[in-house]
Amino acid sequence: QKEVEQDPGPLSVPEGAIVSLNCTYSNSAFQYFMWYRQYSRKGPELLMYTYSSGNKEDGRFTAQVDKSSKYISLFIRDSQPSDSATYLCAMSGGGNNRLAFGKGNQVVVIP
Amino acid sequence: DGGITQSPKYLFRKEGQNVTLSCEQNLNHDAMYWYRQDPGQGLRLIYYSQIVNDFQKGDIAEGYSVSREKKESFPLTVTSAQKNPTAFYLCASSTAGRRSSYNEQFFGPGTRLTVL
Repeated sequence: QKEVEQDPGPLSVPEGAIVSLNCTYSNSAFQYFMWYRQYSRKGPELLMYTYSSGNKEDGRFTAQVDKSSKYISLFIRDSQPSDSATYLCAMSGGGNNRLAFGKGNQVVVIP
Repeated sequence: DGGITQSPKYLFRKEGQNVTLSCEQNLNHDAMYWYRQDPGQGLRLIYYSQIVNDFQKGDIAEGYSVSREKKESFPLTVTSAQKNPTAFYLCASSTAGRRSSYNEQFFGPGTRLTVL
């Protein structure tokens, strides 16, 4: 079982819809949870960061972490064509410096 | 203007050649990383360095080599031993030290390597 599972299937939604993305993980030592956004042919950029369980909101973006279920989510409200990108979950913890990444979800928001 | 630069943006290699990808950062970060990204594979860690003159293998280090002689620079050499080097290569850096678990990584723009 991979440390981080993220269904890489592409997701197409109409403009204004809510986008829901999620990852599961197996390492209970993970404490730090991130979502990166990557536009085509560019490097990833940090979108959201959450420590331990709970919710975090930043504008149209909400990140949720449920450590008891080893499940994290990202919600994008009122999606815009500019949100079209690949979204990667990442997490770390357990005393080492390494990030474990999911495979990424390609999101397309159709005008 | 702080950030991470990678060069070149596109690189073409003939089979049997070694090539070196450049990564420079002026963020004063201690840690630097190299990842490989293939379609549908996510990011896989090649090598990482937490301090100058020290580096560790990641998950897919075979066929690659690195050096960390300066804090700002972490070049990656793709050797002829790497059988399938065509990929998008990403360099990252972070402020995390040896005992820290929080690891916000900042990425460069990437280098796309193609083997002819």
